[in-house]
Amino acid sequence: QVQLVQSGAEVKRPGSSVKVSCKASGGTLSNYAISWVRQAPGGGLEWMGGIIPILGAANSAQKFQGRVTITADKSTNTAYMELSRLKSEDTAVYFCARHPTVVEVPSAEDHAFDIWGQGTMVTVSS
Amino acid sequence: DIQLAQSPSSLSASVGDRVTITCRASQSIGRYLNWYQQKPGKAPKLLIYAASSLQSGVPSKFSGSGSGTDFTLTISSLQPEDFATYYCQESYSHAWTFGQGTKVEIK
Repeated sequence: QVQLVQSGAEVKRPGSSVKVSCKASGGTLSNYAISWVRQAPGGGLEWMGGIIPILGAANSAQKFQGRVTITADKSTNTAYMELSRLKSEDTAVYFCARHPTVVEVPSAEDHAFDIWGQGTMVTVSS
Repeated sequence: DIQLAQSPSSLSASVGDRVTITCRASQSIGRYLNWYQQKPGKAPKLLIYAASSLQSGVPSKFSGSGSGTDFTLTISSLQPEDFATYYCQESYSHAWTFGQGTKVEIK
């Protein structure tokens, strides 16, 4: 069974950048996409963006465009999310999550985030 | 962008109660609606996809219904392990919007 294993907690200064990794173990990311979702302390879930690793095609929420870079390394089954120009409001737990593409599950109606990483706490503080 | 409004934001219930949570979309999304359960300090867990399909391994006490703009998640008989926060999510757009969450607490 595929597991998504994320990198460890980070503490960053305002204005700096953070890069979080998400590695698929026990399988590959072929025919799947990886999305990044964050959750501020005590808050809800917020989709940031995603990538289809086999294609390298990424998209992001309008709120994060220009600040987030999502990439993937097919050879290591690892996805990355880099967030730049960090602010205190970016303090949150960042999750990666897997969802199928139409190659794996033809009906888009059936697409959902079925496997999640354990989360990475990013603290932005001066 | 599609907005999802869950109600209630929180509820108190007793073990054995039947619980219903509602999710309303700002526009019609067909059956492109998923439900997740999240416990404190843990990642969300997929319960229901495509409005009413039970994810593999999820107990049948969870059920989903609805289409268009109005959806419900029902827990038929609440157990201690079900006290958590529940989120709906639309998969109609490429924005994967989540509802604000419903916290289910012990009465």
